[in-house]
Amino acid sequence: ELKVEQNPLFLSMQEGKNYTIYCNYSTTSDRLYWYRQDPGKSLESLFVLLSNGAVKQEGRLMASLDTKARLSTLHITAAVHDLSATYFCAVGVHTRLTFGEGTQLTVNP
Amino acid sequence: DSGVTQTPKHLITATGQRVTLRCSPRSGDLSVYWYQQSLDQGLQFLIQYYNGEERAKGNILERFSAQQFPDLHSELNLSSLELGDSALYFCASSDETGGTGKLFFGSGTQLSVL
Repeated sequence: ELKVEQNPLFLSMQEGKNYTIYCNYSTTSDRLYWYRQDPGKSLESLFVLLSNGAVKQEGRLMASLDTKARLSTLHITAAVHDLSATYFCAVGVHTRLTFGEGTQLTVNP
Repeated sequence: DSGVTQTPKHLITATGQRVTLRCSPRSGDLSVYWYQQSLDQGLQFLIQYYNGEERAKGNILERFSAQQFPDLHSELNLSSLELGDSALYFCASSDETGGTGKLFFGSGTQLSVL
C-alpha cells in the first residue's frame, strides 16, 4: 500500500523566514503534486512535478522532486501571512492520487 | 474556480438516513474521483469513475455507492448514515488524455450527521 508522509505536520513560522516541507512516499512514482487548502475551502493545485529532478517555482514557493529518494520538497522563501494554509503533497500511481496528511502552516507577523 | 461543481454545499441529516451528493466535472474531463476529508482520517480516496465505468476503488464503505451518468456527472450515495460519516466530501475531475493527471477539485459538500 502506498504511504505518503509529510513533515512537519504543523509549522509556525515568522514572516520573512525560510522553511521546507518534506514529502516522502513509499513506492515508485514519477508524478507528484502539491496542493494548498484554506480552512473550509477546496484544494487548489500549486505544482505538478512529472520527472526526476523537476523543479517548479511560483512566487515564494518552490517545489522539487527526487524520484530516486522518493522525496519531494516544498520550500518557502521569506514567508508572508498570506501563505498560511494547509499544504498537501499527493503521489500519483496509475490514475489515482494518494495524499499526505497535510502540513498546517501558520505565518505570524 | 476549478470548473468542478458540487451540490449541495452543506447537508445536515440524521443517523440512519440516506443522502446523495452530486458532482459535475470540468467540461471535457472523463474521470471523476470522490474523496472524503475528515480530521482523523485526512483525505481518503473513495472511488473513481472513467467515462461511466468504475475504474478504481479505495476506502469506500459498503453503505456508500457511486455512479457516473452518460452526461459524465456523478453521484455519491451514502446510506444508513452514522455520526462518523460526518466529513467534507470532495469530487475531483481530471483529463487523463495527454494531461498531467492533475485533479481539479470542487468546493466540497460538508455533511453533518446528527
